[in-house]
Amino acid sequence: GDSVTQMEGPVTLSEEAFLTINCTYTATGYPSLFWYVQYPGEGLQLLLKATKADDKGSNKGFEATYRKETTSFHLEKGSVQVSDSAVYFCALKYGNKLVFGAGTILRVKS
Amino acid sequence: EAGVAQSPRYKIIEKRQSVAFWCNPISGHATLYWYQQILGQGPKLLIQFQNNGVVDDSQLPKDRFSAERLKGVDSTLKIQPAKLEDSAVYLCASSFIRSERSDTQYFGPGTRLTVL
Repeated sequence: GDSVTQMEGPVTLSEEAFLTINCTYTATGYPSLFWYVQYPGEGLQLLLKATKADDKGSNKGFEATYRKETTSFHLEKGSVQVSDSAVYFCALKYGNKLVFGAGTILRVKS
Repeated sequence: EAGVAQSPRYKIIEKRQSVAFWCNPISGHATLYWYQQILGQGPKLLIQFQNNGVVDDSQLPKDRFSAERLKGVDSTLKIQPAKLEDSAVYLCASSFIRSERSDTQYFGPGTRLTVL
């Protein structure tokens, strides 16, 4: 069935470091891809999305490119801040179902 | 615009007791979802409603879980009787349309259930 695999965390970075969180997927068709973020004590929020191959989603300095050839949707940010500390979830949507990865904890130190 | 509302935020019960969670989606959203998020895992879809009809409940443990969405707005998820493995955060989400590729689901803050 459809599935999403994320890199295991926690990922610990210093402020202003470069961030990459890897995400790969398995799907029978061509899904839409999403990154959701969960800040401490809050609900899941959509961070960015891409609906077809080579699309780039971006928001709040984060970017991810839909790579069909490698079935990947890696999340990147050039310079992280302490306020980016959260859990990041990669997800795919095919048909009516949203399938999530296990999440990656990001901790940013000042 | 008000977000998805859920209550209660926290609930602690003994095993074999029953519990109910309530969700009020964003106004105008036809589709409502209930997810279960076990610690250390991503959310897993339990049930999806389109207006007041069920469109997917394939992962709902129907021997103990039930859900309804009367009048196509608010929804209630019930567990009876609860088991230890039901300890999780129960998330409600809503969206405008279920079939659009770019359709965004908006999540509530969740209800954290602890079964002792």
